[in-house]
Amino acid sequence: DAKTTQPTSMDCAEGRAANLPCNHSTISGNEYVYWYRQIHSQGPQYIIHGLKNNETNEMASLIITEDRKSSTLILPHATLRDTAVYYCIVRDRGSNYQLIWGAGTKLIIKP
Amino acid sequence: NAGVMQNPRHLVRRRGQEARLRCSPMKGHSHVYWYRQLPEEGLKFMVYLQKENIIDESGMPKERFSAEFPKEGPSILRIQQVVRGDSAAYFCASSEYNQPQHFGDGTRLSIL
Repeated sequence: DAKTTQPTSMDCAEGRAANLPCNHSTISGNEYVYWYRQIHSQGPQYIIHGLKNNETNEMASLIITEDRKSSTLILPHATLRDTAVYYCIVRDRGSNYQLIWGAGTKLIIKP
Repeated sequence: NAGVMQNPRHLVRRRGQEARLRCSPMKGHSHVYWYRQLPEEGLKFMVYLQKENIIDESGMPKERFSAEFPKEGPSILRIQQVVRGDSAAYFCASSEYNQPQHFGDGTRLSIL
């Protein structure tokens, strides 16, 4: 079973920041938080990952709470093309396989 | 763009036939993973391979399914004697060691 909990769906206005929460209260010290998204009929796309520090790349920012029990993915200026299902996954980086996928959050960007 | 390439994108088979799904990893990646996705569900891990070795096949059904990643050529997921329940999207991912997995666009298998 997935070790994360995410809202089933969210809406966001185009041009605004989209903040997607994820709870992972049972995360262990070796486990990283990964975010992927899947646009309809395509393969999952890697977005970002982190251990305990906040991370930023060209796609998004990842904010991890100090106790590491939850995190937030931030898309700073959402566009219509960001409409997708977003998956938050925790994985022991030493186990280089078995991404365990939950149901994700369906994010709809509205014009 | 040397992303993960999967073919065919769509595959139709009749019950009892064999299905062969191919995956060419990203350049420089020697780790390959196969996942299966049913409609409206998340992906389910099937198997993890490195060149010529199966590392973990715990998610793969014991019968009719097999996977290989030969020294030369793509990784192959083979399903023998397909049944209607095998209808799904099959995704391949690749990575370097301990790096994020990158996915192809999948093969959608339909069983008539």
